[in-house]
Amino acid sequence: AQTVTQSQPEMSVQEAETVTLSCTYDTSENNYYLFWYKQPPSRQMILVIRQEAYKQQNATENRFSVNFQKAAKSFSLKISDSQLGDTAMYFCAFYSNYQLIWGAGTKLIIKP
Amino acid sequence: SQTIHQWPATLVQPVGSPLSLECTVEGTSNPNLYWYRQAAGRGLQLLFYSVGIGQISSEVPQNLSASRPQDRQFILSSKKLLLSDSGFYLCAGDSPNYGYTFGSGTRLTVV
Repeated sequence: AQTVTQSQPEMSVQEAETVTLSCTYDTSENNYYLFWYKQPPSRQMILVIRQEAYKQQNATENRFSVNFQKAAKSFSLKISDSQLGDTAMYFCAFYSNYQLIWGAGTKLIIKP
Repeated sequence: SQTIHQWPATLVQPVGSPLSLECTVEGTSNPNLYWYRQAAGRGLQLLFYSVGIGQISSEVPQNLSASRPQDRQFILSSKKLLLSDSGFYLCAGDSPNYGYTFGSGTRLTVV
């Protein structure tokens, strides 16, 4: 069965610092997608970044980047120059064959 | 771009009453559509998904049902709500060009 594990239930950093959220997954699939979603208190689910498994290059979106290690089945999210608005729950998700498998989430708190 | 419209934002319903939550998609055609439920502080649980009109797959046996009467419309229903149906419901759409996007969610409280 496919699983997604986020081992950090909660993290907090000072504003402007860099923080890395970890995610590992387990699958026998070769073609899949990986996502990081942000869920602020409004509970809107917002896509942060997306990675296709067949692409070796790590995805980057402004201050957000991933370290995708396919062999190790690891997909960590790095947030640079963190901002107060980055405070939210962050979910890692694996997508294949119409299924989006979710991690348990990491609560990230950015302190002023 | 693909936009998922979902309403209402909040809903309070008595036990035993019916439910109808609607989700519509704008900006793409023939998307895969999904209904998720999220308990407080937890991840998302897939309830139903649809790959086309009239095609519904259920992931979890429960008191709810889903229908897709049109290509861009996905409805979550119940004939009689239970207290355990309370939660946050999210509709999502998936298409090749735009990937996986979510609606803004409906917070359902059954009293």
